[in-house]
Amino acid sequence: AQSVTQLDSQVPVFEEAPVELRCNYSSSVSVYLFWYVQYPNQGLQLLLKYLSGSTLVKGINGFEAEFNKSQTSFHLRKPSVHISDTAEYFCAVLIWSASAGNKLTFGGGTRVLVKP
Amino acid sequence: DADVTQTPRNRITKTGKRIMLECSQTKGHDRMYWYRQDPGLGLQLIYYSFDVKDINKGEISDGYSVSRQAQAKFSLSLESAIPNQTALYFCATSESIGGNTDTQYFGPGTRLTVL
Repeated sequence: AQSVTQLDSQVPVFEEAPVELRCNYSSSVSVYLFWYVQYPNQGLQLLLKYLSGSTLVKGINGFEAEFNKSQTSFHLRKPSVHISDTAEYFCAVLIWSASAGNKLTFGGGTRVLVKP
Repeated sequence: DADVTQTPRNRITKTGKRIMLECSQTKGHDRMYWYRQDPGLGLQLIYYSFDVKDINKGEISDGYSVSRQAQAKFSLSLESAIPNQTALYFCATSESIGGNTDTQYFGPGTRLTVL
């Protein structure tokens, strides 16, 4: 069984400070990895994704994430946050299996609150 | 115009009522999904469809049913709504690439409250 763990449910951070959101997953097969952002009262938007290739992935709004296969992690970072980055962030893992086909599993979310 | 739309955006209903949530997409994707979001649990898959003739149960399908009326339309029904079905519901789409699923694109969500 696969699972996705976001270790922090809430992360308060001051404006212009760096932020890191942690995501770990459990899987014994190759995965695709995603980070989505949900702004207040809106749907989910794709921030970035890792399918293959370079383990450092750059996304929109200055975010980046690094895939670490040995640690089964896909942490999201931004060097300097803005008030507008206040949102909930979801890590998701897509795995294909012969029995279940494609399955996208989400972590529980990390709520980022940027303070002035 | 949004690529994935959901109607209604908000709905309040009473226990025992039948409710239908609708999803339409203009992305031309063959795969569509319904999720529910509860605080602290992320998104959980209710049902998914890989084409018009293919419907599959997700993790939490009990109490729900779906209909894929066309490639662009995928409806979720609650036959007899109960209070613990109060949640935010999202529709998503993706295309099939080489038999595998690529990125999922989400609608704006439907907030359902069951009293």
